[in-house]
Amino acid sequence: AQRVTQPEKLLSVFKGAPVELKCNYSYSGSPELFWYVQYSRQRLQLLLRHISRESIKGFTADLNKGETSFHLKKPFAQEEDSAMYYCALPSEGGGNKLTFGTGTQLKVEL
Amino acid sequence: DAGITQSPRHKVTETGTPVTLRCHQTENHRYMYWYRQDPGHGLRLIHYSYGVKDTDKGEVSDGYSVSRSKTEDFLLTLESATSSQTSVYFCAISESWPPEAFFGQGTRLTVV
Repeated sequence: AQRVTQPEKLLSVFKGAPVELKCNYSYSGSPELFWYVQYSRQRLQLLLRHISRESIKGFTADLNKGETSFHLKKPFAQEEDSAMYYCALPSEGGGNKLTFGTGTQLKVEL
Repeated sequence: DAGITQSPRHKVTETGTPVTLRCHQTENHRYMYWYRQDPGHGLRLIHYSYGVKDTDKGEVSDGYSVSRSKTEDFLLTLESATSSQTSVYFCAISESWPPEAFFGQGTRLTVV
């Protein structure tokens, strides 16, 4: 079955430092991966999706099939990036469902 | 933002009472989902719907039931609330593949 692993519960960086939020997955076949962001007590929002290859708010993510990873990166962290970040991929077995990782809380310190 | 509204936004209830949470969408999306969000567990799927009157279980469905009598409404019922069901509940919708989900604002439920 599919699995999403986000090994870090909390990542603390200083403003202006690079950020890398880790996501590893297991999936049969070629996955479509997503990153969602949740600012304090707000709804989850789609940050970016693998297939669009966009850069949103300065964040990028590259799918590495060899390492089964989809790490989220940003070269220079901003205070407003402080949030909870979730990696997700479609659940195997149909139903148009998403399986989420446990999330990483990013804290950007001044 | 996608038109998704959850009600109530906050609720405190007593152990053993039934509770119903409502999700309403104005996007006419086919798929609707209920997730719960808990520290250390992320989001876990409770139930989902793939059409009117078509629902199926997710990974943490015990103690919960759902109904979808109209495209726009998806109800989650806790048949007899327990303290372990204290959580934040999120409704989500999607239409296409891959399932890019749009979320509601969440319902914070406390069972005392």
